[in-house]
Formats: sequence, C-alpha cells, structure tokens
Amino acid sequence: AQTVTQSQPEMSVQEAETVTLSCTYDTSESNYYLFWYKQPPSRQMILVIRQEAYKQQNATENRFSVNFQKAAKSFSLKISDSQLGDTAMYFCAFMKRSTGNQFYFGTGTSLTVIP
Amino acid sequence: DTGVSQDPRHKITKRGQNVTFRCDPISEHNRLYWYRQTLGQGPEFLTYFQNEAQLEKSRLLSDRFSAERPKGSFSTLEIQRTEQGDSAMYLCASSLQGTETQYFGPGTRLLVL
Repeated sequence: AQTVTQSQPEMSVQEAETVTLSCTYDTSESNYYLFWYKQPPSRQMILVIRQEAYKQQNATENRFSVNFQKAAKSFSLKISDSQLGDTAMYFCAFMKRSTGNQFYFGTGTSLTVIP
Repeated sequence: DTGVSQDPRHKITKRGQNVTFRCDPISEHNRLYWYRQTLGQGPEFLTYFQNEAQLEKSRLLSDRFSAERPKGSFSTLEIQRTEQGDSAMYLCASSLQGTETQYFGPGTRLLVL
C-alpha cells in the first residue's frame, strides 16, 4: 500500500517570502507520479505541479518548484514570492504509473500568507 | 470547456434516506473518479470508471454505495440508507487516458442528520 505523509498541518508565511511544504511517501513502486494540489477555501482543487519519478530534474512552474529526492522518498514544494492568493490547503498526492488511476493523498498543509 | 461540474453542491438529509450525486466530467475525458474527503483529511479514493466500465472500487465503498456511468459521460453516486458517518465532501475528478493529471470538481458536501 502507498502512504503519503504531510507532517506540517499548518504553516504561515509573509507575503513575498519563500515557504517550503514537506511531503514524504512510502512505496515499493519504481515508476510513479507525484503531485501537489491546492484547495483554496470553499473552492475546488487545482493542480499546482507534477513530477514523474523517472525524471531526475525537479519540476518547476513559475513560482512553484519541487525538491524531489527519490531515494529519500521526499517531495517538497517551494513557493517563492508568496502571494495572498496562495492561501489554501495544499495536498501532496502519489499515483502508481502502472495503473494510472487513483491518487493517494496526504492529510494536507494549511498555508496562510500574511500581508 | 467549463471543467468538472457536480450537482448538488450541498445536501442535507436525514439518516436512513437515500441521496444521489451527479458529476459531469470534462467532455473529452474518458476516466472519471470519485473521492470522499472528511474534515482534516485528504481525499480518499472510492471508485473509478474508464468510459462506462467501473474498473476499481475501494474497500471504503460499502454495499450502500453504488456508482454508475451509463453512457461514459456523466456519473452518479448513490448512497442508500445514509448514516451520520457518510457526512463528507464527495469529490469527482476526470482525466484523459494516457495523461495522469486529474481535474477536480467543486464537490458535493453531504450532511447527514
């Protein structure tokens, strides 16, 4: 079974600063995908960034980047130049490449950007 | 393209009643997923369809739960004889086979009294 752990239930960051959200996972699979999703208050989940496990290069999307450490099974999200609109619940998710269906989600990190 | 839509957005029901939720995926997506999210938790997988075929069901999906996707387009999730423990947000997501990103709807929040 796959498990995803987000050890930081809540975090805060000053506007324009940088924050890193942690995620670790446990799997015996070698091919898989990792995702970060954002769920703003009372709004639907949207994809922030994704990473293929077979790619060594860390994914980046504008202000969002990941630090993927496959051996350590760690997948952290760095948000640079934090904006008020980044305030949301952030979920880390794992998907096996072999089946390509269900996500396994962590419990989430609630991020508040302080003006 | 309006994204994934779900109806209703909120549902309050009494214990023992049946409820049905609908999900309309992104039009070209042939995969559709249902998840349940309780307070303070991440979404948990319930079931998924590829076209009209239900290919996987979680152990979370008890006999009181049934999902259909009759024509490979929209899907319904029915809960019979609701219990207070069924209170949760029910999320629907869709994807295109061969791509891995799932696009989520706004969810249906169920409260069982």
